Amino acid sequence: EVQLVESGGGLVQPGGSLRLSCAASGFTFSSYWMSWVRQAPGKGLHWVAHINQDGSQTFYVDSVRGRFTISRDNAKNSLYLQLNSLRADDSAMYYCTRAGVWSWDYWGQGSLVTVSS
Amino acid sequence: QSALTQPASVSASPGQSITISCTGTSSDIGGYNHVSWFQQHPGKAPKLMIYEVSNRPSGVSDRFSGSKSGNTASLTISGLLAEDEADYYCSSYASSGTPWLFGGGTKVSVL
Repeated sequence: EVQLVESGGGLVQPGGSLRLSCAASGFTFSSYWMSWVRQAPGKGLHWVAHINQDGSQTFYVDSVRGRFTISRDNAKNSLYLQLNSLRADDSAMYYCTRAGVWSWDYWGQGSLVTVSS
Repeated sequence: QSALTQPASVSASPGQSITISCTGTSSDIGGYNHVSWFQQHPGKAPKLMIYEVSNRPSGVSDRFSGSKSGNTASLTISGLLAEDEADYYCSSYASSGTPWLFGGGTKVSVL
């Protein structure tokens, strides 16, 4: 059974940093592109970042480029998102997702990030 | 402002059919078949219902179907059930700007 379990969210002050982790199991992690998608409270879904199988290619939405870093450790079956220079509008549930056939076929339960003073 | 346009809400009675539209441009929906639909119940993670315009993942009911015409994609739910009450989001690959776009979501209510 495919499982994606996020951790690392919490309350952080504006300008602060957090590192989200996603533990993957039930599939060959190193064979898949992976993504982070976020959802502000009561709002819609927004793609944040994408990483290829060996971590050599990364892509970001303009609003987080230069502040967030997506990475992975295939030996640990783990995906990460480093969030720096956090702003109030970064507050959201962050979902770890597996990229399937031009879509996201499995989602974790999410990790909540709240940016507030 | 979401890049893909969906109606805010759709409602119908059990057993009826509904169709949710998702309108984009020739740079996204109109140019590629990489359109997906997701179902999200309150407090839960999204679930993939349709990928590549009209393909259903294993385990998704055949009451759910997808299609596309020009710059607009559609999700049809037939034989509406109470359990179908949820938010539905479309997404598409895009060739300019942000490569992955979502719609603003449609709340489906079963009367």
